Amino acid sequence: DAKTTQPPSMDCAEGRAANLPCNHSTISGNEYVYWYRQIHSQGPQYIIHGLKNNETNEMASLIITEDRKSSTLILPHATLRDTAVYYCIVRVGSGRIQGAQKLVFGQGTRLTINP
Amino acid sequence: GAVVSQHPSWVICKSGTSVKIECRSLDFQATTMFWYRQFPKQSLMLMATSNEGSKATYEQGVEKDKFLINHASLTLSTLTVTSAHPEDSSFYICSARAASGSTYEQYFGPGTRLTVT
Repeated sequence: DAKTTQPPSMDCAEGRAANLPCNHSTISGNEYVYWYRQIHSQGPQYIIHGLKNNETNEMASLIITEDRKSSTLILPHATLRDTAVYYCIVRVGSGRIQGAQKLVFGQGTRLTINP
Repeated sequence: GAVVSQHPSWVICKSGTSVKIECRSLDFQATTMFWYRQFPKQSLMLMATSNEGSKATYEQGVEKDKFLINHASLTLSTLTVTSAHPEDSSFYICSARAASGSTYEQYFGPGTRLTVT
């Protein structure tokens, strides 16, 4: 799986948009970009994933550059409850190859939302 | 959404004893489950991948005889830490994979905090 690079920490004001960058310059054509977050002492929570098109769901938006070498997770209106460590992971996501698509976590970005 | 539970949520045991942690997928069948370990201020480290009805595949450096994994049904996987020692104290998190359209999504349990005294 391709390696990702994220800033170790970021701050954002409550109510503003939080933009979390991720570099994945060695991503392969069949690898998806996944985002998870982990609130302190809890299991990771799935946020969103995409292949090459931008994606949006009720939690966030994912913007993937045209060359797919980087992406940005956008939390449109950050709240205090969004304070967490955010992980950007790339892996083969589709298909029915059992056991192959394990999620390997990097160090992530510690996002702090300030009141 | 898909829910994964773990039991117990925390456990304290004495050095040399064994501890079993259960992971259940509550509203879906999981043919594949994953076990992770997380030390304080560190990221999650994948320990092993288990497929229902077959032996688990362990990551490099993880002792299979110390961390016994059983995935006997489509909704239950167990991790047994045998002869636990203080250095095994950690946050253990399981994850289960569910089909979602053409992709497979992975959902995580709330974690089990193990303290070995």
